[in-house]
Amino acid sequence: DAGITQSPRHKVTETGTPVTLRCHQTENHRYMYWYRQDPGHGLRLIHYSYGVKDTDKGEVSDGYSVSRSKTEDFLLTLESATSSQTSVYFCAISESALQETQYFGPGTRLLVL
Amino acid sequence: TQLLEQSPQFLSIQEGENLTVYCNSSSVFSSLQWYRQEPGEGPVLLVTVVTGGEVKKLKRLTFQFGDARKDSSLHITAAQPGDTGLYLCAGAANTGNQFYFGTGTSLTVIP
Repeated sequence: DAGITQSPRHKVTETGTPVTLRCHQTENHRYMYWYRQDPGHGLRLIHYSYGVKDTDKGEVSDGYSVSRSKTEDFLLTLESATSSQTSVYFCAISESALQETQYFGPGTRLLVL
Repeated sequence: TQLLEQSPQFLSIQEGENLTVYCNSSSVFSSLQWYRQEPGEGPVLLVTVVTGGEVKKLKRLTFQFGDARKDSSLHITAAQPGDTGLYLCAGAANTGNQFYFGTGTSLTVIP
């Protein structure tokens, strides 16, 4: 299994509070991704990174920001959480180009009350 | 925008039956991947197809990429309880660095 960890694994927070999710990899892969998974929508890309300090928006980026200061860490921040951001968040990594295999982390279940 | 539609959304079958899951789009993809996801875990890649008309087999699973690279199918022969899970297709856009995932097919194989 690829070395990907996500923290926290579960979080309950209140509307309006900031939340940061962390993805850590030990594979030295260049690409890192944040997805959210909701019933009826499959997985939707929030943001991705193609190198340290190099990030780009995905399909559903509004309300989210990311940072990547080191190859191994990719942070997802909800500046002011809303109930619509209740979801399961997955981090993924891939070695190089987009056609490569994406390896997914175990997920973070976030509940915004 | 949901670019990939999967059908059926839910499927419950008896062990030993055959089944086909479909992944359809009006968009053309440079490649398409199939993943399986078990409860509480992240998706795991099963296969990548890159050429229109390509067929790949993985034991009892057969994957096909449509000739126009807009659709794909996954056929399982003699389903086993271990095949139970959520099956997701994902298409790589011709431009940019994004994969678009389908809505998923939840398969339950009853012993």
